[in-house]
Amino acid sequence: NAGVTQTPKFQVLKTGQSMTLQCAQDMNHEYMSWYRQDPGMGLRLIHYSVGAGITDQGEVPNGYNVSRSTTEDFPLRLLSAAPSQTSVYFCASSYNSGYEQYFGPGTRLTVT
Amino acid sequence: DAKTTQPPSMDCAEGRAANLPCNHSTISGNEYVYWYRQIHSQGPQYIIHGLKNNETNEMASLIITEDRKSSTLILPHATLRDTAVYYCIVRVGGFSSGSARQLTFGSGTQLTVLP
Repeated sequence: NAGVTQTPKFQVLKTGQSMTLQCAQDMNHEYMSWYRQDPGMGLRLIHYSVGAGITDQGEVPNGYNVSRSTTEDFPLRLLSAAPSQTSVYFCASSYNSGYEQYFGPGTRLTVT
Repeated sequence: DAKTTQPPSMDCAEGRAANLPCNHSTISGNEYVYWYRQIHSQGPQYIIHGLKNNETNEMASLIITEDRKSSTLILPHATLRDTAVYYCIVRVGGFSSGSARQLTFGSGTQLTVLP
């Protein structure tokens, strides 16, 4: 199993550009989440999904969209990038509603 | 959710047991103790969790005191690859649609395994 994969690993955007961060898992997990990690802020939940076709907002959803058309994929879209979205983004999945989550390697995003 | 307190840093000799403490004195009866670690520049890695009984898996053991106010994560034979920041998290088990639960990492314990 590849586990949770994320692409790209690094990305630089200009303010106002849009892009999609890709996340895929091959463990048949129902639950998937997107987090951002900033120095001194820990992990903050952006959006999460409890199954295909079902998504919900986390703590910091503004400026981000998600969709879940398949069990395997959970892309995160930045609608109009802002410097405040410079961060490391992690995708995670889990087989149940507990907190035993499996994380991807992260995408390091810089918005200039 | 209960607050946790961990020492900011610890050292451990390679091959010895690493014992990482966590204080969660305000823990509620339905809250679990989870441990994660994050190796520099990598995604967080789940280690183990428990409610009130001691737990063991292939990575570590979790010892929870009888009053559940503290716990210890034990890495039985630490290696250089165990150098990481270790996070103790207390949460009511699980999240479901409609409740924005999340993993919130505090500052954790930087464990350095020395050769």
